[in-house]
This record gives sequence, C-alpha cells and structure tokens, in this order.
Amino acid sequence: GAGVSQSPRYKVAKRGQDVALRCDPISGHVSLFWYQQALGQGPEFLTYFQNEAQLDKSGLPSDRFFAERPEGSVSTLKIQRTQQEDSAVYLCASSLTSGATYEQYFGPGTRLTVT
Amino acid sequence: DQQVKQNSPSLSVQEGRISILNCDYTNSMFDYFLWYKKYPAEGPTFLISISSIKDKNEDGRFTVFLNKSAKHLSLHIVPSQPGDSAVYFCAASALNAGNMLTFGGGTRLMVKP
Repeated sequence: GAGVSQSPRYKVAKRGQDVALRCDPISGHVSLFWYQQALGQGPEFLTYFQNEAQLDKSGLPSDRFFAERPEGSVSTLKIQRTQQEDSAVYLCASSLTSGATYEQYFGPGTRLTVT
Repeated sequence: DQQVKQNSPSLSVQEGRISILNCDYTNSMFDYFLWYKKYPAEGPTFLISISSIKDKNEDGRFTVFLNKSAKHLSLHIVPSQPGDSAVYFCAASALNAGNMLTFGGGTRLMVKP
C-alpha cells in the first residue's frame, strides 16, 4: 500500500472488554511505533518495534496494554479489560529504518471509545 | 512535565500573510526536531525537520528556525494559504535516547481567505 493503514478506524467498546487494533506499515519499513492521542493533546509514545523486536515499551500505561509484531510487518496493539481512560486515538507510524532522524509516517489512527 | 510545549493553542492569519508557530522544549538532550501537520480524521503528516547542528531549514513556503540556547523553535509559513489550515505539532527526538518522538500539544492554524 501507499501509506500506513490502520483498522478499525473506529471502535466502541464497553468497559471491561478486550480490543485489538491493527497496523499495516509501509512495505519495507523497519521501524514501527504506536502512539496514543487524547482529545486536544499531542500524540504520546507507547511502544517501538524494530522488525519483530519490541525495543521500547516504556510508554505503555499499564500491563493491560500489549503490542506485538510477530513477523516484522503487521502489528497489533491489544488492550485488555478496557477502561474509560483508554478512550483516545491510537496512531501507528512507521519509518524506513531505525534512528531518530528518520521521519515517521503516520496512519489515520483508530478512535477508541470506551463506554 | 511537558518536555515539548506549544503555548498557543490557536492562531488566525489572513491569506497571503506570514504564519509563525512557536515551540519550546526543556530537554537539552533533544537534537532533532520535526513539524507535523494534521487534518481532522487523518494522521499527522510530516512537514519539515531540523537537526540541532543547524539553525535554519527551508522547504518552499516552510522554514523552521532553531534557537538552541533558548530551546525554542518556530515554523514560518509564507505566504499562508487557506489549505494550510490544520493543527500543527512540534516534535523532538534524542539520537542516543531511542527513536520515539515527543510531541507538543499542537497549534490550530486558521488561514482566512
């Protein structure tokens, strides 16, 4: 595909449900990032993969959040036992290689609403 | 504590005039800075970047200025166009501290025809 794609675009979950958010990065991009964007704020880092290796998960807010990228391509962010404070837009980004100087290309995001 | 701050939540300018968006940071380890533009219901789109070894980078109508001593950067858009109306995010990274971007809270730019 031409860009980063994410699915679903919108997700409504009842409190306590588990959700899974998918990210398809740009083909060939080594690095993949997940960010959380609360309403009216800038994106906040959650976790980072280089190929299939999760090199940084320091931004995950709790052990209810789990991310994987088993084959170094598609990634899934899973949130268990969702809470209202998990309501946000979840953004996925990829970059061609590792290194902070490489631009990250973002997907459209998944808007999660927990009721 | 916010390491990257955009103190103006919104800015309104007339078409054809200059738009100046400001960003301040506190972490002296940051050495690479980026500006992203975001339209509603879309992800942020990369606009322009600057390394800390430079004080200016220009790309068409967009210029980013970096003042390291003041820990301040700004984005200039000249001339502003109605299509520039969007939310602009400043982001920073540190080469030796991982690959994550730290974002400011954004500034909503409105360019009036």
